[in-house]
Amino acid sequence: EAGVAQSPRYKIIEKRQSVAFWCNPISGHATLYWYQQILGQGPKLLIQFQNNGVVDDSQLPKDRFSAERLKGVDSTLKIQPAKLEDSAVYLCASSPGPGANVLTFGAGSRLTVL
Amino acid sequence: GENVEQHPSTLSVQEGDSAVIKCTYSDSASNYFPWYKQELGKGPQLIIDIRSNVGEKKDQRIAVTLNKTAKHFSLHITETQPEDSAVYFCAAHPFLNAGKSTFGDGTTLTVKP
Repeated sequence: EAGVAQSPRYKIIEKRQSVAFWCNPISGHATLYWYQQILGQGPKLLIQFQNNGVVDDSQLPKDRFSAERLKGVDSTLKIQPAKLEDSAVYLCASSPGPGANVLTFGAGSRLTVL
Repeated sequence: GENVEQHPSTLSVQEGDSAVIKCTYSDSASNYFPWYKQELGKGPQLIIDIRSNVGEKKDQRIAVTLNKTAKHFSLHITETQPEDSAVYFCAAHPFLNAGKSTFGDGTTLTVKP
């Protein structure tokens, strides 16, 4: 079974520039999550999708972050404009449905904002 | 909301020794406690979990214990091997609601050959 795919693996940008990250979950997984992992901390949820609908985006800084999952499969997370404090690893995870105990994570996309 | 504290932040042991990582949680609504292992350049991967109706669970060299009254849970690794070197995260959430996971800040385990 293929895992959760993410790209790019690494991105370096200047502050105020924009960046987009892509995620393809495990086939058949209806629930998709984006997490932000700052160095030395545990992952923190940014947004949760159920199919193509948003379940929870209460922790998403909506003035600069946006995410979509238009066809209920792959998803894109965008940051515009980026700030220095956005430097982190952005992890995508999926689960078969919202009533799950286990998250399957991708390898992450490491963002450095200079 | 839930707050999960994890200790120690770093742990170094000799190969063959045991390692123990401890976590506390604050929200009584949390009743499921997974542990994830994150190797360099990879995402976290579940290694063991425990529900609040169970006090201990073992899987080969790893075990997790839970004290629901004290809101403590711990990961125990016996006979450590160099490939156990990684960052370990504890988490807490309501059963069947992984989207509500709160993670600890991680423990970097180094197993010296």
